[in-house]
Amino acid sequence: GIQVEQSPPDLILQEGANSTLRCNFSDSVNNLQWFHQNPWGQLINLFYIPSGTKQNGRLSATTVATERYSLLYISSSQTTDSGVYFCAPGRAAGNKLTFGGGTRVLVKP
Amino acid sequence: GAVVSQHPSRVICKSGTSVKIECRSLDFQATTMFWYRQFPKQSLMLMATSNEGSKATYEQGVEKDKFLINHASLTLSTLTVTSAHPEDSSFYICSAAPPGARETQYFGPGTRLLVL
Repeated sequence: GIQVEQSPPDLILQEGANSTLRCNFSDSVNNLQWFHQNPWGQLINLFYIPSGTKQNGRLSATTVATERYSLLYISSSQTTDSGVYFCAPGRAAGNKLTFGGGTRVLVKP
Repeated sequence: GAVVSQHPSRVICKSGTSVKIECRSLDFQATTMFWYRQFPKQSLMLMATSNEGSKATYEQGVEKDKFLINHASLTLSTLTVTSAHPEDSSFYICSAAPPGARETQYFGPGTRLLVL
């Protein structure tokens, strides 16, 4: 199956700072999603981005499929951005996703 | 956006009992749903793919007789943990992809299972 590696594993930010989270994957994919898991465990969809660049407010994501990586940018971080960010690519038929280990983000006021 | 619900949100049971968890797609039909398990401070691991009207497909290492999956309708999949033991304590999450949503999966809020 696909191997997915996320970095860094942990990130502590001061409120207002910018950051970049990285996701490397081992095989070509036709699906890639970024999620934010809040402290209650709910996974919130951030981006469906198998290739290209998308932006949504203070968040943006870029996937370079040919080089097998994706980046998630957080700008002007807020305390509500705290949580775990997961990258989940997929290539098998039927939408199966493989989750990376996640990046645990703590934004301090 | 698409909404997926789970019930119960948390359950505590005695060792040896069976527990059923429901996953519903509230505003769309889903021929396929997925069940994941997440241990504390770890990532999500896919357990099985639930297929409406047919048998579930289990990932390697997941006991199909231990984790029974039923997908009897286009909006409901159930996961039954049979003869639960403390090592089955975990966070169970389901997901589904609305048709025509370009493979975007939406996740339920999860069920926390504690087996005493």
